[in-house]
Amino acid sequence: GENVEQHPSTLSVQEGDSAVIKCTYSDSASNYFPWYKQELGKRPQLIIDIRSNVGEKKDQRIAVTLNKTAKHFSLHITETQPEDSAVYFCAASTYTGRRALTFGSGTRLQVQP
Amino acid sequence: DARVTQTPRHKVTEMGQEVTMRCQPILGHNTVFWYRQTMMQGLELLAYFRNRAPLDDSGMPKDRFSAEMPDATLATLKIQPSEPRDSAVYFCASGLGAGTSVDIQYFGAGTRLSVL
Repeated sequence: GENVEQHPSTLSVQEGDSAVIKCTYSDSASNYFPWYKQELGKRPQLIIDIRSNVGEKKDQRIAVTLNKTAKHFSLHITETQPEDSAVYFCAASTYTGRRALTFGSGTRLQVQP
Repeated sequence: DARVTQTPRHKVTEMGQEVTMRCQPILGHNTVFWYRQTMMQGLELLAYFRNRAPLDDSGMPKDRFSAEMPDATLATLKIQPSEPRDSAVYFCASGLGAGTSVDIQYFGAGTRLSVL
């Protein structure tokens, strides 16, 4: 089955700096890669996603890049703000058979004011 | 703002008791997922349904867990008997899938279960 590895497990940045979180996946058939943000005690919320026919997608201060050859994808947050502090999860899914998400282990991002 | 609704939000019970968690998916969504979140294991898929039929429950301990969708507006997850190691936050998520399209999943607020 699919295996998703996520790094780093914790990340601390100064307000205004950029943050990058990286994930690798094992199943070359995976073709959907969402990112979820989870604030303390809250539900995971989708912040951005990318499909395998696209290499990069941007939405204001966040962007995701995908390298299908290397089987890795990354989340980029620019001009970080204290409200970006949360746990971020990457995930991967495949069309074939089991179309559920396999999640990475999460990255706790702390933005220092 | 359509949301997935989960009840109860918190449940404290004693070992051996039955626990039932409920989920109301977003109206019109045809896929429902159950996840368990713990500090040690992260987010784990337990089971999911499409058009009320179970597609995958391989992540669920079959001897004590069961998941059903009595109708399109209700999904249930039961644990009987419950054990302290079942203590976790249980999330339900729903999505809309058709053919080979991939589901975007929207999560409920979760049920925080504590088994003493």
